[in-house]
Amino acid sequence: QSVLTQPPSVSGAPGQRVTISCTGSSSNIGAGYDVHWYQQLPGTAPKLLIYGNTNRPSGVPERFSGSKSGTSASLAITGLQAEDEADYYCQSYDSSLSGSRVFGGGTKLTVL
Amino acid sequence: QVQLQESGPGLVKPSQTLSLTCTVSGGSISSGSYHWSWIRQPAGKGLEWIGRISTSGSTNQNPSLKSRVTMSVDTSKNQFSLKLRSVTAADTAVYYCARMGTYPQPFDYWGQGTLVTVSS
Repeated sequence: QSVLTQPPSVSGAPGQRVTISCTGSSSNIGAGYDVHWYQQLPGTAPKLLIYGNTNRPSGVPERFSGSKSGTSASLAITGLQAEDEADYYCQSYDSSLSGSRVFGGGTKLTVL
Repeated sequence: QVQLQESGPGLVKPSQTLSLTCTVSGGSISSGSYHWSWIRQPAGKGLEWIGRISTSGSTNQNPSLKSRVTMSVDTSKNQFSLKLRSVTAADTAVYYCARMGTYPQPFDYWGQGTLVTVSS
C-alpha cells in the first residue's frame, strides 16, 4: 500500500488530454511538500518529468504539466502521442516517516 | 552530463548481505549540495525509496528497511554504496541509484538499474 495513491491505469487516444492524480495526506502533499513526477518507459530507468509541482526540466515537452492543490497533485499530458505510453510515478516527502521520500504506486498510461 | 552506474552481484543467497556500489561520472560527487539515494523496484511493481546519503556521510533510510540498511560514501572514488542485510526473496528487485538534485530535491539523475535476485 503506497503512501501516495495513483490510479492503476489511464488511457487516451492520440491527440487527447489525460490527467493522472496523486492523492496524499496532511503529512506529505497536504503539508506543503513538493511533488515530483517521473516517466518510466518499458525496460528503462525512471526519468524526471516534473519537479517542484509545476516545473519541467530542460528537454521535457510543454505537453507535460503539473499542478497541486490541497492533499493532491496532478499530471496532465496534452496532445497524447504513442511514445507517451509508459508508467508514471508521483513522489514527495513525508514528515511522519522520518524524512522518507515516498512514491505513488504508479499509473500505466495506454495510448489507444 | 552526470552519469550513474550500479555494480554488484546479481545473485545473493537468502540471509546474506546484498552489496551494491554506485559510481558517479561526469562530475565530482562532492560538488554542490547533492544527496545520493538508492531506490528499488520489484518486477512488475512500483518504486520504493531505500535511503539517502550526503557526501558528509549523514544518512536517513526508509523506516521499513532501516534496521537492515547501511549506506556509505567514498568521495575519493566518486562512489556511494548500499548494504542490505539478512535478505529474503522479497528483496529481489531492480536496484537504482539516483542523485537528489538541489531543492526541492527531485531524483534528477538515475542509474540504469541492476537486477538483484535473492535465491539459494
